[in-house]
Amino acid sequence: GNSVTQMEGPVTLSEEAFLTINCTYTATGYPSLFWYVQYPGEGLQLLLKATKADDKGSNKGFEATYRKETTSFHLEKGSVQVSDSAVYFCAFSWGRRALTFGSGTRLQVQP
Amino acid sequence: DAGITQSPRYKITETGRQVTLMCHQTWSHSYMFWYRQDLGHGLRLIYYSAAADITDKGEVPDGYVVSRSKTENFPLTLESATRSQTSVYFCASGSTSVYEQYFGPGTRLTVT
Repeated sequence: GNSVTQMEGPVTLSEEAFLTINCTYTATGYPSLFWYVQYPGEGLQLLLKATKADDKGSNKGFEATYRKETTSFHLEKGSVQVSDSAVYFCAFSWGRRALTFGSGTRLQVQP
Repeated sequence: DAGITQSPRYKITETGRQVTLMCHQTWSHSYMFWYRQDLGHGLRLIYYSAAADITDKGEVPDGYVVSRSKTENFPLTLESATRSQTSVYFCASGSTSVYEQYFGPGTRLTVT
């Protein structure tokens, strides 16, 4: 069935380190792909999206490219900050527009 | 300018009681959704609605009831709460033109 697999956390990095959070999906057709971020005690916020193959979503220094051939949508950032500490969710939307989420990856950035 | 709001933000209830979680959005979005968030499971879809008076089950609908008589409101009712329904509940909405969703702040529900 449809599913999203994310790397398990927590991911602990020092400030200014490079970040990669892996995400792969299993879905029929060509879904839209998303990264959402959840800061402590808050709801989810859309971070970036891509709606077709080879699209690159970007926001706040984060990037992810829709790779149809590998069914992946890895999140990257060149230099993380303490303020990036949060839980990151990969998700895709298809058909009825509901989202299927991965289990989330907690990122901890140390000063 | 409120966007999407949920109430209450925190709720403690006893097993067997009925409880209703409220969700209100000001964008006139057609789609509304209820998810629950549990450790290790990410978010799972409970119910969704494509428009007023149109609702459908998601991945984990058992024990929940929804209604949508007005576009802006989408209440979720636990008819007889169980401990396994202790969770954080998120409401979300989305328009017909794009696939992304916008989330409320969540309701933390504890069933004792």
